[in-house]
Amino acid sequence: AAGVIQSPRHLIKEKRETATLKCYPIPRHDTVYWYQQGPGQDPQFLISFYEKMQSDKGSIPDRFSAQQFSDYHSELNMSSLELGDSALYFCASSLARPGSPLHFGNGTRLTVT
Amino acid sequence: SQQGEEDPQALSIQEGENATMNCSYKTSINNLQWYRQNSGRGLVHLILIRSNEREKHSGRLRVTLDTSKKSSSLLITASRAADTASYFCASTARNNRLAFGKGNQVVVIP
Repeated sequence: AAGVIQSPRHLIKEKRETATLKCYPIPRHDTVYWYQQGPGQDPQFLISFYEKMQSDKGSIPDRFSAQQFSDYHSELNMSSLELGDSALYFCASSLARPGSPLHFGNGTRLTVT
Repeated sequence: SQQGEEDPQALSIQEGENATMNCSYKTSINNLQWYRQNSGRGLVHLILIRSNEREKHSGRLRVTLDTSKKSSSLLITASRAADTASYFCASTARNNRLAFGKGNQVVVIP
């Protein structure tokens, strides 16, 4: 079965650079989520989209933005990168029914030097 | 911190033993889910228990929920080396947002 695809798998950037992470949800899933997981930390919710519209916003810095496109893929754009942005970034997709499990991609490991 | 907090302990057990981990949360929930994460990989959904359920089974997994104590437990029976992972509980908030607690690392020694 198709899973959530994230690219790139690894990304190394320098401080103050920009980064774009991509996510391709499971076909027919109408909701996409972005989570950030620091080393040894629990995943922190950043933002979500339902049918290409932002549906919820969590602890996402103003330097970050995201969108979902007509083909349902989503991109997380990160500007003015800081050392503290180094983390695993996960995308997940689900159906919009309450209690529907989230299906996670394998994440993008961002390292800011 | 997020609601949905596991007891912050790493668990090391022998293959074949049972592994139990606990989770507490702070507010009312619609449901509580458990996820598993292998090192550096994505989270995998294991089981969901609704707020009106007290116990649920799925294969070697048993989840309990005590809404009066705002706590849940995950039991893995007859553990295998492949069960080595971090386990997170997560409560469902508005807009189906999952609020994760800190993971509980389980190491199963062959």
